Amino acid sequence: GAGVSQSPSNKVTEKGKDVELRCDPISGHTALYWYRQSLGQGLEFLIYFQGNSAPDKSGLPSDRFSAERTGGSVSTLTIQRTQQEDSAVYLCASSLGSAGGQQTQYFGPGTRLLVL
Amino acid sequence: GENVGLHLPTLSVQEGDNSIINCAYSNSASDYFIWYKQESGKGPQFIIDIRSNMDKRQGQRVTVLLNKTVKHLSLQIAATQPGDSAVYFCAENIGGFQKLVFGTGTRLLVSP
Repeated sequence: GAGVSQSPSNKVTEKGKDVELRCDPISGHTALYWYRQSLGQGLEFLIYFQGNSAPDKSGLPSDRFSAERTGGSVSTLTIQRTQQEDSAVYLCASSLGSAGGQQTQYFGPGTRLLVL
Repeated sequence: GENVGLHLPTLSVQEGDNSIINCAYSNSASDYFIWYKQESGKGPQFIIDIRSNMDKRQGQRVTVLLNKTVKHLSLQIAATQPGDSAVYFCAENIGGFQKLVFGTGTRLLVSP
């Protein structure tokens, strides 16, 4: 079956430009997560959506970062006025989702962002 | 800072050997742990998980051990194959909070 998909797979942008990264979760998964992975590092949590609840934005590094999830499915991560330190792989994951549950998160292939 | 860390950044083994990848965590409230495998250019792939009410769980060729006394987690891979070469991450989750906290990863290199 289809897994988590992300687009674009690669993005090169100039410093100061805005970028949008897209995530399509596994069908039926109500929970969606964004992580960032810098070169040679582990994954850093950014934001979590669960159903129609208010998202957990505690991991967003600055107000230049925002994310939306429309219709409880597709999500878009937006980075405004990109900086070189934003260069990283942005990974999206989804899980079945349930209150208080601990469920396996399945990851997409990531979007590799390079800010010149 | 990170709650989860790894002892060995790189582990080199011969094909057929058993591999052990270790992970230390510092948050005693963590109650769910996951191991992920990440191949170059791909997203992390789920391998195995374990809840804090268990100390051992086995999958196909993999075993996860949890020692809550010393806050230590390990992944054992039996009969390691070249296809097992990847970076392995442990991650922890605290009940009621859905985000995962990841370690920095261990690179496993399997020589034929």
